[in-house]
Amino acid sequence: KQEVTQIPAALSVPEGENLVLNCSFTDSAIYNLQWFRQDPGKGLTSLLLIQSSQREQTSGRLNASLDKSSGRSTLYIAASQPGDSATYLCAVMFGNQFYFGTGTSLTVIP
Amino acid sequence: ETGVTQTPRHLVMGMTNKKSLKCEQHLGHNAMYWYKQSAKKPLELMFVYNFKEQTENNSVPSRFSPECPNSSHLFLHLHTLQPEDSALYLCASSQVGDRGYRGYTFGSGTRLTVV
Repeated sequence: KQEVTQIPAALSVPEGENLVLNCSFTDSAIYNLQWFRQDPGKGLTSLLLIQSSQREQTSGRLNASLDKSSGRSTLYIAASQPGDSATYLCAVMFGNQFYFGTGTSLTVIP
Repeated sequence: ETGVTQTPRHLVMGMTNKKSLKCEQHLGHNAMYWYKQSAKKPLELMFVYNFKEQTENNSVPSRFSPECPNSSHLFLHLHTLQPEDSALYLCASSQVGDRGYRGYTFGSGTRLTVV
């Protein structure tokens, strides 16, 4: 079975700072990895999807990397803004389902 | 309307009630999912439907009953729930192809409170 861990569980940074969120998984035989954002009480919004053959994906200020062999992914957020405050979830497609981490709660202080 | 739509957004029900959650996707996807999200826990997969056929049932109690009448609609019928069933219920869809599953698109969820 796959286990997904996200560290840290919570993070608070001043506006403008660059930051890195971490995701690790126990079995490297994944199909893909997806990063989501969740605002309080809301559904999940897809941020980036990395296929197993890819090393990274970029969208605007976001960059996600994938190192399958070490079972790790990072989400890099550049020049953070208060609107980035949310919970960020990592999910890996393994077997025939996605396995989710518990998320990192990010607060960007104006 | 595009994406994945869930109704209702909020639901309060007694333990003896029967209610249904609805999910509709307008993306042409062929797989749909129900997830449960409780506080401080990872999302828990409940049911998977591929091409309208149920392919996964992760030991979900029988008080939760899914229905998938076509590839665009998914229901979760609820009856005699317990207070611990209170959670955010999320629907997702995906396109399953020859290369396996692609990314998910989620709905906004139904916040369920059992009293």
